[in-house]
Amino acid sequence: DAKTTQPPSMDCAEGRAANLPCNHSTISGNEYVYWYRQIHSQGPQYIIHGLKNNETNEMASLIITEDRKSSTLILPHATLRDTAVYYCIVRSDKIIFGKGTRLHILP
Amino acid sequence: DVKVTQSSRYLVKRTGEKVFLECVQDMDHENMFWYRQDPGLGLRLIYFSYDVKMKEKGDIPEGYSVSREKKERFSLILESASTNQTSMYLCASSLGGYRTEAFFGQGTRLTVV
Repeated sequence: DAKTTQPPSMDCAEGRAANLPCNHSTISGNEYVYWYRQIHSQGPQYIIHGLKNNETNEMASLIITEDRKSSTLILPHATLRDTAVYYCIVRSDKIIFGKGTRLHILP
Repeated sequence: DVKVTQSSRYLVKRTGEKVFLECVQDMDHENMFWYRQDPGLGLRLIYFSYDVKMKEKGDIPEGYSVSREKKERFSLILESASTNQTSMYLCASSLGGYRTEAFFGQGTRLTVV
C-alpha cells in the first residue's frame, strides 16, 4: 500500500503558486520523499525529491516538515501546462504510487 | 537524457495468447519496474528487478511473469492473456538505492479481445 495521503483534486489560478500537500506520517528515517506528475496519456515525469531539507529545482520547490511527516510541493507560477495528476511517493526499494492529486489550472 | 523505450505503443492480442512486453533502458540502471494503470485504480506495481536475473513481486503479480537476462532489458510476460489484463502498461528504470529518480517509458496500451 502507498504510504502517502493526498487530496484527490485541487484548483489553482493560472500564474499563482500551486501548493500541493502530502501526508506521510509513517515515513522511515532513510526514506526519501519523491514527487512525480503524469500528464494525460504520458508516463509519469519526475519533479523533485528530498530527505529532510527543503529542495528547489527549475520545476518546483519541496518543503518537508521538521518531523518529516508531511511535505508540500510548490509550483511557483502555475500555467495551463501544469494540469496533471501529481503523485507524492515515499521511496523504498519499491516505488508505490497512491491515487495522487489531480491539479486543475484555471485560466 | 535517459531513455526508457517500450516496444509497442498499442497492442491488440487475443485471449489465451502469450504476450511479451519489452522494455529497454540506455543508462545502465540497476532497477527496473513494471506497472499497470487502470482508471480509478492508479498505477499498480506488478514486478520489479534490482539486478540481472533478480526479480521481486509487486502488489499484483498474478497472471504475469518477468525476465531480466540483460541489464538493459526487462520483459513482462502474460502467459495466457485474459480480457481483465487489458490496461496501460508502464515500464520504469532507476539507479540502485533510494536516492535517484525513476524514468518512465511512454507506456503500452494493451487490449485483449
